[in-house]
Amino acid sequence: RKEVEQDPGPFNVPEGATVAFNCTYSNSASQSFFWYRQDCRKEPKLLMSVYSSGNEDGRFTAQLNRASQYISLLIRDSKLSDSATYLCVVKGGSASKIIFGSGTRLSIRP
Amino acid sequence: GAVVSQHPSRVICKSGTSVKIECRSLDFQATTMFWYRQFPKQSLMLMATSNEGSKATYEQGVEKDKFLINHASLTLSTLTVTSAHPEDSSFYICSARGAGGLTDTQYFGPGTRLTVL
Repeated sequence: RKEVEQDPGPFNVPEGATVAFNCTYSNSASQSFFWYRQDCRKEPKLLMSVYSSGNEDGRFTAQLNRASQYISLLIRDSKLSDSATYLCVVKGGSASKIIFGSGTRLSIRP
Repeated sequence: GAVVSQHPSRVICKSGTSVKIECRSLDFQATTMFWYRQFPKQSLMLMATSNEGSKATYEQGVEKDKFLINHASLTLSTLTVTSAHPEDSSFYICSARGAGGLTDTQYFGPGTRLTVL
C-alpha cells in the first residue's frame, strides 16, 4: 500500500461546480498535512496547510480526519484557473520525511 | 513568501556529459534542501535530502555516485548529474525548508528540465 494515495482523476467539471478530493495516508503518526497545486510543467506551489480543526481559504476548504486517516480538499464555485494537479502532502512521523501523493488532475471546462 | 531559485531552468546536453543544477534560497536560510525528480505525468519522487555541512541522504534506488549533491551553505545546494544518459531526462525540482517558523513548509524552486540527447 502506498503511504499516501490519491485518486489520479482526471476530474472534469463545469465552471462553477463544487469538487472534492480525498487523500488517504497510512502512517498514523503523521503530523502535518498540506495541499499543493502543480500546473503543467511547473513546480508545486503550496495551496494550504490542513489543520485538525479544518480550515478555509476563500473557495477552498481543507479537512483532516485522523480517525480514518484522510484529508480532503473542497473547491467551491470552481474557476477555469483552478485546472491543475492537486498534490496531497503528508509529513511523516520522522523529523524530515515528507511524502507526496501522486496527484489528482482537475480540469474545469467553460 | 519564501523564494527558492533554480538554475538553469532548462538544459539540453549530450549523453555522457555532466550537468550541474543550483538551488538557492533567496530570502531565508535553508537548513534542509530536497531534490526531487518528476517524470511526465508522474508525481514527484524524492531523490535525496541534504543538510548544510553534512552528507546527503539518498533514497533507495538513487545512485549517490551518479547524483552528486553538495550543500555547502545555508542558501545553496547543487545537484550534479554525472555522465548523463537519455533515461536521466526529467524535471528536477529542489525544495528548501527553513528554520524557526519555516520548518514545516517546503518551498519549491521552479525546476530544471533536463534533456539528454
